[in-house]
Amino acid sequence: TQLLEQSPQFLSIQEGENLTVYCNSSSVFSSLQWYRQEPGEGPVLLVTVVTGGEVKKLKRLTFQFGDARKDSSLHITAAQPGDTGLYLCVGTGNQFYFGTGTSLTVIP
Amino acid sequence: GAVVSQHPSWVICKSGTSVKIECRSLDFQATTMFWYRQFPKQSLMLMATSNEGSKATYEQGVEKDKFLINHASLTLSTLTVTSAHPEDSSFYICSASGLAGGPLVDTQYFGPGTRLTVL
Repeated sequence: TQLLEQSPQFLSIQEGENLTVYCNSSSVFSSLQWYRQEPGEGPVLLVTVVTGGEVKKLKRLTFQFGDARKDSSLHITAAQPGDTGLYLCVGTGNQFYFGTGTSLTVIP
Repeated sequence: GAVVSQHPSWVICKSGTSVKIECRSLDFQATTMFWYRQFPKQSLMLMATSNEGSKATYEQGVEKDKFLINHASLTLSTLTVTSAHPEDSSFYICSASGLAGGPLVDTQYFGPGTRLTVL
């Protein structure tokens, strides 16, 4: 069941630009994970956020969990071609809920 | 830690044959394993959820007699695509979450995927 809407669905930007991916729901989650998946590989866990309002940074990536634990955002600063991939958010409740995915292409 | 492997990583088979894909949690015990199918540039589509020692729960529209799932231990689940046809060609991914009450229970760890091509 997909209760999480991601936007945008597709994004193509130039190297060095900034971008934000949104993950929205009307449901409350106990935690939320962000994954990045490269073509032909499985998703790799980037971060888990648990507390409402929590902000976590992973180098040029900044993750935020909404105060009400219903939404999350991923901001990438100075995108690089290596950031290219499919980004997935997954909310945890009584089961796992997958976001619709954001396909990011960073053009050199 | 929390590594999940899949085997094989890719397979080509003839129409009508069966293919088995293994999913193993290498360094943790997984109460629950999930099987997904994925089309290019799309999110994962959950096919079934399997708990160790019990029958898998299939999502609506997934034929349980075609996609046989066995979860015989806390570290191994298998997906068998029976009588495969070209429309079954896809990228299949498994994931595992840790034991109830443990630190890994609320997170899924994904395998690297298996590319199935049915000729």
